[in-house]
Amino acid sequence: GQQLNQSPQSMFIQEGEDVSMNCTSSSIFNTWLWYKQDPGEGPVLLIALYKAGELTSNGRLTAQFGITRKDSFLNISASIPSDVGIYFCAAMNYGGSQGNLIFGKGTKLSVKP
Amino acid sequence: NAGVTQTPKFQVLKTGQSMTLQCAQDMNHEYMSWYRQDPGMGLRLIHYSVGAGITDQGEVPNGYNVSRSTTEDFPLRLLSAAPSQTSVYFCASRPRQGAYNEQFFGPGTRLTVL
Repeated sequence: GQQLNQSPQSMFIQEGEDVSMNCTSSSIFNTWLWYKQDPGEGPVLLIALYKAGELTSNGRLTAQFGITRKDSFLNISASIPSDVGIYFCAAMNYGGSQGNLIFGKGTKLSVKP
Repeated sequence: NAGVTQTPKFQVLKTGQSMTLQCAQDMNHEYMSWYRQDPGMGLRLIHYSVGAGITDQGEVPNGYNVSRSTTEDFPLRLLSAAPSQTSVYFCASRPRQGAYNEQFFGPGTRLTVL
């Protein structure tokens, strides 16, 4: 089946550093999404990307939909302690299955003050 | 708006017991889904519904049943719980196909099957 390969699996960074994580697949998708999950909570959508090549920002977060439609990356600039959590990429295409999401395995981010 | 609510928050079952995980939303969303999340894994789709009276299987449907008699409610039933069903279960809803910027997840139900 379709799979998303998300890396890195975990990151330990100093407050103020920039963070980069990415998601790749051998399949083509029409939509890429990035979620953050805090401990004990459900995922919350950060950024949605709907067009190949699209670059979208949300505050200190920037995400891009790869031109091949097989990958996406998320950057966080000037990290702060509240950025701690698990970040998931997710993707879907509209072909046949009502557009249901496939998730990556997550990147666990730890920020040292 | 309460958003997406799930009950219970925690549950411990013995192998073979049955139970229903409740999910409700008050946003009049057509699409509702159930996911499970296992350690070190992303979310995997169990079942989904595109409207009242319509349900379909996701990636990992075995051992689970769903029904959608109203727009608001989408319960997930475990007929005979197994240890492999120990997981965190998330319900999600969105207004229509493709509206992921309007999709919300519930807080989750943490299920342990002994």
